[in-house]
Amino acid sequence: EIVLTQSPGTLSLSPGQRATLSCRASQSVSSNFLTWYQQKPGQPPRLLIYIASNRATGIPDRFSGSGSDTDFTLTISRLEPEDFGVYYCQQYGSSPTFGGGTKVEIE
Amino acid sequence: EVQLVESGGGLVQPGGSLRLSCAASGFSISSNHMSWVRQAPGKGLEWVSVIYDAGNIYYGDSVKGRFTISRDISTNTLYLQMNSLRDEDTAVYYCARDQCINTCASRTGAFDYWGQGTLVTVSS
Repeated sequence: EIVLTQSPGTLSLSPGQRATLSCRASQSVSSNFLTWYQQKPGQPPRLLIYIASNRATGIPDRFSGSGSDTDFTLTISRLEPEDFGVYYCQQYGSSPTFGGGTKVEIE
Repeated sequence: EVQLVESGGGLVQPGGSLRLSCAASGFSISSNHMSWVRQAPGKGLEWVSVIYDAGNIYYGDSVKGRFTISRDISTNTLYLQMNSLRDEDTAVYYCARDQCINTCASRTGAFDYWGQGTLVTVSS
């Protein structure tokens, strides 16, 4: 099973600032099938980025994904108030696994 | 419009059983891989099970031998039969569609649509 480690655990930032979230895999992620989601309280996860760097339909271009193999990054170029929440990475190898999440909160 | 609506959650005693349903609309579950993902209160996400479009079935280690995924193509409904429930199975259970692109010629490994979830509480 591939273990995904997200850092930091919590990111305290102000609107307009840049957010950089990390996701590291315990082994190479097959076909770069690395996905990012945003989740807000009481809601299901929302797909942001798939195959490491492809924005999902309707996702603003301030969200970008990068990386390959075992190191992946989600960047939010300028935080908007609605961007605060918990972000998860996920891989889909032989068995899908999720990272523990990064909480992006208002400073 | 794609929609997924779960039902069937509730309070059950340890060792008991429950069957969850996920009614899909806007697409055919027989043409997509469909998964169950759960989230314990205040915790992260855990993949539970998948049924492929071709019918292959896989489970996470924590539920193998206790849970059974199935589908009814005639009603476009996904199911999760949960037996021998434990305290640690307490969670919100989501059904989710595996994303495919290029008229489903390619999979992406992502879950593009999720239901709102149904809460399962295992407690005496």
